[in-house]
Amino acid sequence: SAVISQKPSRDICQRGTSLTIQCQVDSQVTMMFWYRQQPGQSLTLIATANQGSEATYESGFVIDKFPISRPNLTFSTLTVSNMSPEDSSIYLCSAQGTYNEQFFGPGTRLTVL
Amino acid sequence: AQSVSQHNHHVILSEAASLELGCNYSYGGTVNLFWYVQYPGQHLQLLLKYFSGDPLVKGIKGFEAEFIKSKFSFNLRKPSVQWSDTAEYFCAVNEGSSGQNFVFGPGTRLSVLP
Repeated sequence: SAVISQKPSRDICQRGTSLTIQCQVDSQVTMMFWYRQQPGQSLTLIATANQGSEATYESGFVIDKFPISRPNLTFSTLTVSNMSPEDSSIYLCSAQGTYNEQFFGPGTRLTVL
Repeated sequence: AQSVSQHNHHVILSEAASLELGCNYSYGGTVNLFWYVQYPGQHLQLLLKYFSGDPLVKGIKGFEAEFIKSKFSFNLRKPSVQWSDTAEYFCAVNEGSSGQNFVFGPGTRLSVLP
């Protein structure tokens, strides 16, 4: 299984600013994913991040709002741009394992004031 | 598009009671099926997974799940729950061959009373 770390673990940000979340995997993986989880709710996939290609976004999420980088096989970043209080959530990254399962990071709890 | 439903939003049990959490999915092709657990304040952990073969899958911490293809179901079971099993449980599915389209269910909150 892969071990995934995220930074920061939490942050409080002002409206209109941007935050970049980092995700590090302890092994090389082809596919990484970014999710959003509202408190007490399930996970919603934001985008799939493959190394060497543009991220693939799910319906309702756009690159201008959530730009993603995937510079190598162990690292990815998600930026939440021009934040509003509606962006307050937990942001999770995950990595796909050998059998198409996903392993999750601890999440980044974002509060936008 | 795939979807996953979980039968119960919140389940409350006493210690030593048996547990069964329902999960149904909608997808006509080959699927991989998963159960994840999220303990309070912790991150998601994989409990068990089904890819092929024996439809009865055993996972960590005494959990098991049974894939019934004809019913599009993948119910999670444990014969005797403990207080430490209090958590949120998520069923998930993705496409069998590609691993794409990973979809989570809404989750079931399990509260085990000591």
